Amino acid sequence: DAKTTQPNSMESNEEEPVHLPCNHSTISGTDYIHWYRQLPSQGPEYVIHGLTSNVNNRMASLAIAEDRKSSTLILHRATLRDAAVYYCILNSGGYQKVTFGIGTKLQVIP
Amino acid sequence: DSGVTQTPKHLITATGQRVTLRCSPRSGDLSVYWYQQSLDQGLQFLIQYYNGEERAKGNILERFSAQQFPDLHSELNLSSLELGDSALYFCASSVEARSNTGELFFGEGSRLTVL
Repeated sequence: DAKTTQPNSMESNEEEPVHLPCNHSTISGTDYIHWYRQLPSQGPEYVIHGLTSNVNNRMASLAIAEDRKSSTLILHRATLRDAAVYYCILNSGGYQKVTFGIGTKLQVIP
Repeated sequence: DSGVTQTPKHLITATGQRVTLRCSPRSGDLSVYWYQQSLDQGLQFLIQYYNGEERAKGNILERFSAQQFPDLHSELNLSSLELGDSALYFCASSVEARSNTGELFFGEGSRLTVL
């Protein structure tokens, strides 16, 4: 199964944009890129997903490289509530085959 | 609120004991997943049930078992507990058994401490 690589941690100032990178060089053509985040003391929650085109929703934007070997989750204006662990995962055959790694711990500085 | 309910939220027990964790999926979801999250570790997939049937197994120990009942709630049974079983156990649910576009909805987890 294809794996993802993310930085262990990142910092951002409050109210500034945040770009969270994810590398997935062995991605297959049927892999959807999903992002989840886990707030402190909570279960993970879905953020966004995409296949080839960039995607936007009320929470974030997902920018996918043309060769699909990397992607970036964009939080347009970080708030303190965005401090969480962000997981980038690949899903082609159902969540039973998905690997959630350690993710990126985002710290938002007031 | 994800709509997934897990009980208990916290559980402290001793080595060698047996515990049961309970999960009620989101209304309408037929699929239930169990995950284990140890300190500073990622989520480890344990097992999946769909509409009462076991659908997939991950890194689940033989001392652990699960089932999904006709009302779709699920229980994870952990026996002969060891110190290393101390972790957060998450339940998640989804509509479909196998989807690459659907969302997983997670509960808030059950924190198990084995002393």
